[in-house]
Amino acid sequence: EVQVVESGGGLVQPGESLRLSCAASEFTVSSSYMNWVRQAPGKGLEWVSVIYRNGKTFYADSVKGRFTISRDNSKNTLYLQMNSLRVEDTALYYCARANNVVALGMDVWGHGTTVTVSS
Amino acid sequence: SYVVTQTPSMSVAPGKTATFACGGNDIVTRTVHWYQQKPAQAPVLVIFDATDRPSGIPERFSGSKSGNTATLTISRVEVVDEAVYFCQVWDSSGNHPVVFGGGTKLTVL
Repeated sequence: EVQVVESGGGLVQPGESLRLSCAASEFTVSSSYMNWVRQAPGKGLEWVSVIYRNGKTFYADSVKGRFTISRDNSKNTLYLQMNSLRVEDTALYYCARANNVVALGMDVWGHGTTVTVSS
Repeated sequence: SYVVTQTPSMSVAPGKTATFACGGNDIVTRTVHWYQQKPAQAPVLVIFDATDRPSGIPERFSGSKSGNTATLTISRVEVVDEAVYFCQVWDSSGNHPVVFGGGTKLTVL
C-alpha cells in the first residue's frame, strides 16, 4: 500500500530542536515532490516546505532559516529538521506526496506527528 | 507571495448543492486542488487541477475555475460530506510554490 508514516514529534521547550521523519512505502521519495504541511490546533492547513525531485527546496516565510527539509534516498525517508522552535510552531505535522500524475495534488498523506513547543 | 481566500463556513441541507469558492488573483492561470478534511483525519484530495476527480471520489464532487475564482461543487449533499474543504494552489513561479486557503467548514443541516 502506498503510504507515509511520520514520526519524531514531541514536547520541547522554546529554542530547542526536533527532527521529524516520514517513511514512505510503495513509492520513491526521491522521485516525488514531498511536502511538510502543519496544522495548529483548531486551525487550517499551513504549508511548511517542499523538496522537488531535483532536490530544490522551498520554505514558508514563517520557518525559513530555522527548518531544513531533506531526504535519505537509501532509507526512502523524508526529514524536517526544526531548530529554534517557537511556541507558534506547535502543530500536527503532516508529510504529503505531491504526485505529478494528479497535477501535483497531494494524494498521499500520513496521520501526522504532533509537535508541542512550550515552556 | 500568492494569497487565496475562502469563506469560513457554510450550511447546506441534505440533498442540496454546496458551492465553495476559492479566490485568488488570476487564479484561472494557476493549478488548483481541493481537499476534504474530516475531524481527526488527514486531508483527502477530492479535486485536482481544478476539475478532475481522483479515483474513488464520488461524481457528486466537481470543480471549475474562471477569472479570479476556483469553485468546488458538491451535488446532492450527504451528511458524510460534513467536513472542512481547503483549496490549494501551486505557484511554481515564486519561492512559495504551495499555498492553502483558510478552509470552509461545511455543516450539513
